[in-house]
Amino acid sequence: KAGVTQTPRYLIKTRGQQVTLSCSPISGHRSVSWYQQTPGQGLQFLFEYFSETQRNKGNFPGRFSGRQFSNSRSEMNVSTLELGDSALYLCASSLAGNEAFFGQGTRLTVV
Amino acid sequence: GDSVTQMEGPVTLSEEAFLTINCTYTATGYPSLFWYVQYPGEGLQLLLKATKADDKGSNKGFEATYRKETTSFHLEKGSVQVSDSAVYFCALSPLNNAGGTSYGKLTFGQGTILTVHP
Repeated sequence: KAGVTQTPRYLIKTRGQQVTLSCSPISGHRSVSWYQQTPGQGLQFLFEYFSETQRNKGNFPGRFSGRQFSNSRSEMNVSTLELGDSALYLCASSLAGNEAFFGQGTRLTVV
Repeated sequence: GDSVTQMEGPVTLSEEAFLTINCTYTATGYPSLFWYVQYPGEGLQLLLKATKADDKGSNKGFEATYRKETTSFHLEKGSVQVSDSAVYFCALSPLNNAGGTSYGKLTFGQGTILTVHP
């Protein structure tokens, strides 16, 4: 059974650009969550999608957005990138009533 | 809001030493509690979990007991190995509006770096 797949693994962008990250959940999992991991702030919850609807949202500016498709795959988008957006972005999927499984993450570097 | 506090790291031990990583939490009601482990260059892997008071989660020699009275979920292992070197995160999953666990929204502690020397 394939795990959570995140693409790309590494990304370098310039300040002011926008970026889209992709996450394919474990087959059958309808909940997909996104987290930002940085050395200073640790792991912070961005948002959760369930059946194409945003179910929970963390405390991040509107530049961070996401969506989920009918096949449960999810994308997150960050617009007008800032240096402080450099982080490891982790995606997790879960089946209703069970624990979350994480992907390996996308390492975003903003220069 | 919900929060998780882990002991400050890093922690450096010799192989076969006893490990304790402290974790306390603040949350409404009875959240589910987890320990996740992150190896270099990898995502997070669930190590163990407990969903109600006095539950003991265990896996690969690691144990943690859900203590409601002290709002704690300390991680222990009797004899660590070099291969246990990683970053350990304590996390909680709050109750959703229906009273069930909201596994899609985890609150994490800051993480504790563990290094085990031969």
